[in-house]
Amino acid sequence: TQLLEQSPQFLSIQEGENLTVYCNSSSVFSSLQWYRQEPGEGPVLLVTVVTGGEVKKLKRLTFQFGDARKDSSLHITAAQPGDTGLYLCAGGHTGGFKTIFGAGTRLFVKA
Amino acid sequence: GAGVSQSPSNKVTEKGKDVELRCDPISGHTALYWYRQSLGQGLEFLIYFQGNSAPDKSGLPSDRFSAERTGGSVSTLTIQRTQQEDSAVYLCASSREGGAHYEQYFGPGTRLTVT
Repeated sequence: TQLLEQSPQFLSIQEGENLTVYCNSSSVFSSLQWYRQEPGEGPVLLVTVVTGGEVKKLKRLTFQFGDARKDSSLHITAAQPGDTGLYLCAGGHTGGFKTIFGAGTRLFVKA
Repeated sequence: GAGVSQSPSNKVTEKGKDVELRCDPISGHTALYWYRQSLGQGLEFLIYFQGNSAPDKSGLPSDRFSAERTGGSVSTLTIQRTQQEDSAVYLCASSREGGAHYEQYFGPGTRLTVT
């Protein structure tokens, strides 16, 4: 069974702080996606990474795919209350349709 | 354009009753997914529809669960003889094409509570 483990499970920080959340697996994935989910809503895609070592930036968010394509990280600079939510990583394989989701990191940014 | 919609948004039912959950995907999207999300958990894959192909039902937890997709559009997830462990948020997603690389657009979910 392929699993994606996310850490930490919960993170509460002050506005302006930096943070990194991690997504790890013992399996290789062809692609990895990060979603953010707010209460009462479905997840919304933030980024897809497909190349080992790839780094993508989305404003204050930086995503990295590990060289071996088994892990990924999401770094947020100068967190804001609007960043509060559940961050989910999801892995997939070329030619496959099934996406494996991690359990998520619940982030709370205090003003 | 309109996103993925789901109904009802909340459903409370008694143990043993049947429930139907509805999903309206984005028009033109060929792939449709159902997931279940329990409190504090990630998304558990239930079933996948792609065009006119036979659905992949490998994630359905028991034979009490079934789903159909009529005319390649609207989908209904049916849970028969509901149990308390079925309580969760049921999420539907659609994507332009089938494949894990494609962005999945999620609906807001149906929160099911079995009493």
